[in-house]
Amino acid sequence: DADVTQTPRNRITKTGKRIMLECSQTKGHDRMYWYRQDPGLGLQLIYYSFDVKDINKGEISDGYSVSRQAQAKFSLSLESAIPNQTALYFCATSDPTSQHHTQYFGPGTRLTVL
Amino acid sequence: GQQVMQIPQYQHVQEGEDFTTYCNSSTTLSNIQWYKQRPGGHPVFLIQLVKSGEVKKQKRLTFQFGEAKKNSSLHITATQTTDVGTYFCAEEAGSYQLTFGKGTKLSVIP
Repeated sequence: DADVTQTPRNRITKTGKRIMLECSQTKGHDRMYWYRQDPGLGLQLIYYSFDVKDINKGEISDGYSVSRQAQAKFSLSLESAIPNQTALYFCATSDPTSQHHTQYFGPGTRLTVL
Repeated sequence: GQQVMQIPQYQHVQEGEDFTTYCNSSTTLSNIQWYKQRPGGHPVFLIQLVKSGEVKKQKRLTFQFGEAKKNSSLHITATQTTDVGTYFCAEEAGSYQLTFGKGTKLSVIP
């Protein structure tokens, strides 16, 4: 969805490096999420945020941290990247006032840790 | 936590054949959502089912929610090459979190 953007789209880095993935949205949604996707494992929730002051861990938060700089921006950091963090990372937003609580996904960031 | 089991993991069909993916839970679901991810793309919302026994249709796609609200299915009639992708079910796990199934990857042979 063009209303949710992620940068970079691709990144190759080395073990031990700090990496930040950024997500921006123009949908005006309060809720934002970070997922990782590995082949055959579906989407796993890393962190989620219901507003700027509300950050929550998901099912696989170890090795990751997040920052909600503004309603529109939610960043994911890997403090010291390791090879098993190689994956496709998606940011998503949702509108709590909507009937369906649909999540809208960004285009994804493909991260490779060597 | 809750987990939805999705089967099959892969499905290869000849163009024109039907396709079905199933989503099962050991607990009663409040609702279930279905998403489609095209190759190289991101998940896109298809539909949400809320009511017991609910059936919804979108052109060639038929979505069902079981009477006990513990299972759901997505059926595609007469598949086309544009149906290629991975189909995910997702349950709302509370506080507007979604827990996704592992997905069914559909390949359509022309």
